[in-house]
Amino acid sequence: AQTVTQSQPEMSVQEAETVTLSCTYDTSESDYYLFWYKQPPSRQMILVIRQEAYKQQNATENRFSVNFQKAAKSFSLKISDSQLGDAAMYFCAYRSARRKQGGSEKLVFGKGTKLTVNP
Amino acid sequence: NAGVMQNPRHLVRRRGQEARLRCSPVKGHSHVYWYRQLPEEGLKFMVYLQKENIIDESGMPKERFSAEFPKEGPSILRIQQVVRGDSAAYFCASRTTYNSPLHFGNGTRLTVT
Repeated sequence: AQTVTQSQPEMSVQEAETVTLSCTYDTSESDYYLFWYKQPPSRQMILVIRQEAYKQQNATENRFSVNFQKAAKSFSLKISDSQLGDAAMYFCAYRSARRKQGGSEKLVFGKGTKLTVNP
Repeated sequence: NAGVMQNPRHLVRRRGQEARLRCSPVKGHSHVYWYRQLPEEGLKFMVYLQKENIIDESGMPKERFSAEFPKEGPSILRIQQVVRGDSAAYFCASRTTYNSPLHFGNGTRLTVT
């Protein structure tokens, strides 16, 4: 079974600075997707960024970028120019890309990292 | 376009009562997932349904929990005879087809007293 580990329960960053959140995962599959979700106090799950394992190029969405190291099974999220609105729980998630008969393509989540942004 | 709608947002039940959580997926979405988030934890998969069918319920507790997604109406997650350990946030998510983006609702926070 796949597992996702986020080793930093909490992180803090000064406004306008850069922070990196860590995520490692364990899988025997070669084809999969990785995600970062943001969960603010409102509880809504917001997709931040998505990476396909077959793509060598790291995904980028505005101030958010990832460092995807497939051999090391590492998928870190870098937030540049941090803003107060970035404060939230951040969850790393894995999903198999292989369609299985009766499969659900479910997401496997890590336990999350609470990010605080200091003014 | 309305997103995934979950209600109620908060639900309080006494031990032994039943809890019914409702999820209306995005219009046109026929794939629905339920996830549970315990305090200080990530979301954990419970069940995956397509219209009128349960496809994968490997994350559902064997007893007291059931889910449905009828041809008409919302998906329902039902918890019978709730216990304190059922207190959690329950999220519903929907998508149109395989590999399409997953849309999450805002969750229902269940508190069992």
